[in-house]
Parts: sequence; structure tokens; C-alpha cells
Amino acid sequence: EVHLVESGGGLVQRGGSLRLSCAASGFTFTNFAMSWVRQAPGKGLEWVSSVSGDGGTTYYPDSMRGRFAISSDSSKKTVYLQILSLRVEDTAIYYCAKLGRIFGVHDYWGQGTLVTVSS
Amino acid sequence: DIQLTQSPSFLSASVRDRVTITCRASQGISSYLAWYQQKPGKAPKLLIYSASRLQSGVPSRFSGSGSGTVFILTINTLQPEDFATYYCQQLHSYPWTFGQGTRVEIK
Repeated sequence: EVHLVESGGGLVQRGGSLRLSCAASGFTFTNFAMSWVRQAPGKGLEWVSSVSGDGGTTYYPDSMRGRFAISSDSSKKTVYLQILSLRVEDTAIYYCAKLGRIFGVHDYWGQGTLVTVSS
Repeated sequence: DIQLTQSPSFLSASVRDRVTITCRASQGISSYLAWYQQKPGKAPKLLIYSASRLQSGVPSRFSGSGSGTVFILTINTLQPEDFATYYCQQLHSYPWTFGQGTRVEIK
């Protein structure tokens, strides 16, 4: 059974940084890409970043390029998201999601970790 | 970026109703579309991929159709557990984008 557990969220001051983690189990980690998707309070879903199964290729929308950095450690079966220069508008639940055999389809999701940026 | 517009944004329905949600893309995306269900306080769950393929374990009352720019999610015989928010997502081109969501509530 696929299991994704996020951690690392919390209350951070504007301008600070944070590293989120997502521990994966239940599938061959290096065979599948992983994503981070966020959801601001009361809002919809927004794709943040993805990383290939081997960790060698990363993907970002232009709006996330620069302050967000995704990485993975296959020995720990863990995906990370580093967020720099946090803004109030980065306040959201950050979900880790596994990508399926069709690249772009998020077939399993973690429960999310809440990041709150205070001004 | 490809914009996805869902309609309606909100709908009120009764148990056993048939519900349809439309997702319109700002440009053609072939069949590169997925549908997700999200219940309050929970993570999204994949329902449909490739516009019409049912994800394993998802009840057959859910179905998807469409290609190009217009897609439809249909829920036949709405069940109490189906009251949730539904999102479409395109994976045709970067950046992957989601629709704004359709909230299905009990009438």
C-alpha cells in the first residue's frame, strides 16, 4: 500500500525558510516521479514542483522557479521541498503526491503539512 | 499557461441524482486530463485519468468523457460519500494546471 507522510510545516516569519519532507513507502521509489502541490486556505490546488524518480530532473512552473527547490534521497525514500524567502502568500497546505505511469497524473497523495507565514 | 474553467463552481444535488461537471481548457489538450475528488480536511483522490479511464478502486458510478477542450465528469446515482469538491487537472503541457473546483453539496 502506498503511503506518503509529509512533515516540516509550521509557523514561520516572512522572509524565513523551511524544508518540507515527504517519506514514501509501498512502491519502488526510483520508478516514479514525485510532486509537491499546495492549497492556500479555502482555495484550489496549485502545482509547485516535481522531481524524476532518480532525482536527476526537476520541474517547476515559472512562478515557483527560484525560491522553491525540490530534491529527493532514494536511500531514504524521501522527497524534500526547500522554500526560501517565504511570503505571506506561501501560506498553504503542502501536499506530497506520487506521479503515476502517465506522467502528470497524481495517483497517490499524502495528508499534507501546513505552512503558515506570518507578517 | 493553459487555463481550466470548471462549471458550475457550486451545485446542490440530492442522493441518487445524476451530476455532471464540465471542465473547459483554454486550448486543446487531447485527452491529457485527470479528475480528483477532495473531501473537507482531506487530501485529493484521483478518480479519472486520460479523460475517461477510471482509477483502480473508484466506483463505476464515476465516469469521464471528452477530448480537446471540453471534458465532463459524470456521477451517476449520487451517494452521500460523493459530496465533496472536484478538480480537473491538465497534464498536456507545463505548467500543469488545475481547475478552480466544483463543490457538490447536499440539497
